[in-house]
Amino acid sequence: EPEVTQTPSHQVTQMGQEVILRCVPISNHLYFYWYRQILGQKVEFLVSFYNNEISEKSEIFDDQFSVERPDGSNFTLKIRSTKLEDSAMYFCASSPLLATNEKLFFGSGTQLSVL
Amino acid sequence: DAKTTQPPSMDCAEGRAANLPCNHSTISGNEYVYWYRQIHSQGPQYIIHGLKNNETNEMASLIITEDRKSSTLILPHATLRDTAVYYCIAITGTASKLTFGTGTRLQVTL
Repeated sequence: EPEVTQTPSHQVTQMGQEVILRCVPISNHLYFYWYRQILGQKVEFLVSFYNNEISEKSEIFDDQFSVERPDGSNFTLKIRSTKLEDSAMYFCASSPLLATNEKLFFGSGTQLSVL
Repeated sequence: DAKTTQPPSMDCAEGRAANLPCNHSTISGNEYVYWYRQIHSQGPQYIIHGLKNNETNEMASLIITEDRKSSTLILPHATLRDTAVYYCIAITGTASKLTFGTGTRLQVTL
């Protein structure tokens, strides 16, 4: 079965530094998402992306966050100035269609640790 | 999206059927019921979804009551690898996101 690939699997950074989390969605998918999960807490929606635009974003997704599809295969999440509370597992997901009537395929995640 | 209620945890013996309930009493007519699971700290994995009718695939069966106020996910022969947190999510036809709750932690034991 095709997979969503995320790199790196672990990222350690200093507070205030910029990080870029990378994802390669499944090739024929059109919708892309970022979710995060702070240790011991729920999986939280961050942002959805379609046709090179943000479709929806949560309150968490403030000006420190941005997403980009720089080429035909990658989908990135940038955090401009990391904070301690950004430490979490970040999951990328993709789907061929909207969430309803289609399943989301999730990657295995990037564990971000902000020191 | 309708609120869903699930028991926080359940146990199941390996080889037996695991029946995971979900209450969604405020579900509207155009909301689907989706089930995902999360094994340890991996990304959530889609299991099954349905609107009105019962559904079955290679992983599980989904039984939705006639009034659609509740549903049950059935893993017919649970294995140790099915130990995970199972999420029941009600979502509308035009939604672009999934909202995960706390789910049911299923522990499959020998």
